[in-house]
Amino acid sequence: GQQVMQIPQYQHVQEGEDFTTYCNSSTTLSNIQWYKQRPGGHPVFLIQLVKSGEVKKQKRLTFQFGEAKKNSSLHITATQTTDVGTYFCAGRRAAGNKLTFGGGTRVLVKP
Amino acid sequence: DAGITQSPRHKVTETGTPVTLRCHQTENHRYMYWYRQDPGHGLRLIHYSYGVKDTDKGEVSDGYSVSRSKTEDFLLTLESATSSQTSVYFCAISESTGGLGEQYFGPGTRLTVT
Repeated sequence: GQQVMQIPQYQHVQEGEDFTTYCNSSTTLSNIQWYKQRPGGHPVFLIQLVKSGEVKKQKRLTFQFGEAKKNSSLHITATQTTDVGTYFCAGRRAAGNKLTFGGGTRVLVKP
Repeated sequence: DAGITQSPRHKVTETGTPVTLRCHQTENHRYMYWYRQDPGHGLRLIHYSYGVKDTDKGEVSDGYSVSRSKTEDFLLTLESATSSQTSVYFCAISESTGGLGEQYFGPGTRLTVT
């Protein structure tokens, strides 16, 4: 079956630094979504990428979909304590009707 | 936040007992999902529904059943709870077919099976 892997599993970041988390699928994806889950909370939708090579920005967050549509990345610049949480990617196969979530990257910020 | 509630929010039950979790939405979205979340596994789809009385299995459906008799309610039943079903359960809804539209998640139910 389809597998979606995220690395790293944990990311300790100094406040103000940048970091990137990566998402890799075993199959070509039709689209990919990113969610953020704060500690003790529920996942919240951040963005969806559909086109090959697509790049989207939300303030300090930059999302990219790979050319082969099998991988994606989330880059955060100037990390803040409000960025703490777990970031999940979730991909859908072509002609599929379900999302497969990655294991998530848990981000901890050191002030 | 989308109008999604889950009940109960916390439950402790014994092995072998039946358990039903309820998801209720006020958004009139067609698609509803049940996920379980365990450390290191992200969110795994248990079952989903694409309309009243229309349901299908996800990747971890063994030991679970669902029902959807009304648009607004999606029930998840553990027929005979086991310790491996200790988890946090999230319900989600979507206006568009699964994977295309964003999913809105409920607050979750923490289930402990002793």
